[in-house]
Amino acid sequence: DIQMTQSPSSLSASVGDRVTITCRASQSISSHVNWYQQKPGKAPRLLVYAASSLQSGVPSRFSGSGSGSDFTLTISSLQPEDFATYYCQQSFITSALTFGGGTKVEI
Amino acid sequence: QVHLVQSGAEVKRPGASVKVSCTASGYTLTSYGISWVRQAPGQGLEWMGWINTYNGYTTYAQKFQGRLTMTRDTSTSTAYMELRSLRSDDTAVYYCARDVSGTAVGRWFDAWGQGTLVTVSS
Repeated sequence: DIQMTQSPSSLSASVGDRVTITCRASQSISSHVNWYQQKPGKAPRLLVYAASSLQSGVPSRFSGSGSGSDFTLTISSLQPEDFATYYCQQSFITSALTFGGGTKVEI
Repeated sequence: QVHLVQSGAEVKRPGASVKVSCTASGYTLTSYGISWVRQAPGQGLEWMGWINTYNGYTTYAQKFQGRLTMTRDTSTSTAYMELRSLRSDDTAVYYCARDVSGTAVGRWFDAWGQGTLVTVSS
């Protein structure tokens, strides 16, 4: 299976900060990466698909980039509602989808 | 508006089976696949498998081969996930998710059920 390694596993930030989360795949996966946000006790929510396409309804302060094996999710100006855990997910191997370990964004 | 509504929490003994349902509304079930993802307490997300809701074809993660079955009932727009031979480490929240295929750009989950807590305990 393809391993997805997220960093950092947690970070502390303030409202208004620019936040960057990185995901590295164990092999090249083209642009087959998606990003999700999860708040405590809630289901995940799709933010970005195919590495850089913003899901409908997601604020434009979220953006994704990268290709090959290195990917980034950026929040340009952190808002109070953005404190959550973020996961990357690869779909290059369609019979073995895998998620990163998560990045918890805290105050 | 797309909604996926799952069945309620379950408590099972080790060795038992559990079957969780996921009823879709706001779209035609057979237009998209359904994946199942689980999350153990305090842990990350784990993909379990996928069902093509049009023809019933399934793909399961290797870890669950032999004790996982996914089915669907198109007449009620409901997908099902059955896990057998439950162990304590199967205790988790189980989610269904609408699985969107972007052909050359991969697959993603654009709508999720609310989750079903399955507790396995003696």
